[in-house]
Amino acid sequence: SQQGEEDPQALSIQEGENATMNCSYKTSINNLQWYRQNSGRGLVHLILIRSNEREKHSGRLRVTLDTSKKSSSLLITASRAADTASYFCATDGMGNDMRFGAGTRLTVKP
Amino acid sequence: DGGITQSPKYLFRKEGQNVTLSCEQNLNHDAMYWYRQDPGQGLRLIYYSQIVNDFQKGDIAEGYSVSREKKESFPLTVTSAQKNPTAFYLCASSVATGIEQYFGPGTRLTVT
Repeated sequence: SQQGEEDPQALSIQEGENATMNCSYKTSINNLQWYRQNSGRGLVHLILIRSNEREKHSGRLRVTLDTSKKSSSLLITASRAADTASYFCATDGMGNDMRFGAGTRLTVKP
Repeated sequence: DGGITQSPKYLFRKEGQNVTLSCEQNLNHDAMYWYRQDPGQGLRLIYYSQIVNDFQKGDIAEGYSVSREKKESFPLTVTSAQKNPTAFYLCASSVATGIEQYFGPGTRLTVT
């Protein structure tokens, strides 16, 4: 079963704008991760945020985590056409495996 | 795609045949995973292994089998019992379960 659910399913913006994607999950977690997938390729890890952290930055990426609401957001600032991809959140939830959401498809128009 | 290789990139099989997908990693990772991805959807966990000679079923293990005889290798067999095998299959590995995973480039399997 999928643990995380991303919102929106699809997002289209102009180059230079910010993109915000949200993730909600159901059970307690140790950490939450965000991944990126270019069409037809494997996933690439972007950032991991632990349950005791509220915000984390990596370059143009900012991730927040609200464990009381069981939600996380990924903000990409000053987007570029090369950011066009699908973005997935993943949680470690129960057990030793990971659960991925269905993803947000981001299109950045030049 | 890091140090994980999957082969082949595209695979075509006739219905009723078993097929084995290869996954090899040179990252010295203990944990390895197999996921299935259908068009426009997220990843669903098929099997994972935390250590050599040990593996656990994921959410959709029916019709699939795996082995973990070597740390570097985690092959996935799609059996004829899998009712709808056509999909994109992704292998991943991590130092341990629950942390950053490194993904292979995927194998697109088409069964007709």
